[in-house]
Amino acid sequence: ILNVEQSPQSLHVQEGDSTNFTCSFPSSNFYALHWYRWETAKSPEALFVMTLNGDEKKKGRISATLNTKEGYSYLYIKGSQPEDSATYLCASDNTNAGKSTFGDGTTLTVKP
Amino acid sequence: NAGVMQNPRHLVRRRGQEARLRCSPMKGHSHVYWYRQLPEEGLKFMVYLQKENIIDESGMPKERFSAEFPKEGPSILRIQQVVRGDSAAYFCASSLGGGSYEQYFGPGTRLTVT
Repeated sequence: ILNVEQSPQSLHVQEGDSTNFTCSFPSSNFYALHWYRWETAKSPEALFVMTLNGDEKKKGRISATLNTKEGYSYLYIKGSQPEDSATYLCASDNTNAGKSTFGDGTTLTVKP
Repeated sequence: NAGVMQNPRHLVRRRGQEARLRCSPMKGHSHVYWYRQLPEEGLKFMVYLQKENIIDESGMPKERFSAEFPKEGPSILRIQQVVRGDSAAYFCASSLGGGSYEQYFGPGTRLTVT
């Protein structure tokens, strides 16, 4: 059984705060690590997919890092805005590229 | 530039009926994935398909569930003799394949079994 764990489960921050979340995943037979942003009543939106140890990706104020040897990834949001409020999911592809195991997500609430 | 399309968006079935969920991948994508979200739970992998092939169906329940992705037309997730426990949101995603791992999700189909 593959477990993908995310922490914290939820996070409340003030507008302008920077924040980060953790995703831990199995390091064996690793293919890819995905981060998604999921707003209520919408579908998950792909943020990043990373495959190589040491990968870092950036999109605007959001960035992510990957450590495949120890099996963790961090997602950072710099200067959080209310529109960043969403659930952030990570998913790991192990054994088979494309077979993603999802974590339960970190729900971020940014207060104006 | 249409994204991943799923229909219907909402489906109500009585116990014992069949449910057919359709997924049209993004243009040019030949890989399709189906996920299920049961109430109060996270997304769970069901099946991974390429055109005319099932690559990995390890997440599919052993009975009543089947999936296909024919050469022409959408991918279909079929649930026979539905039970109340099948009520869930079913999402499909697609990718280019060929080393491109990024998956794009559709809006989901919410199945309610009465």
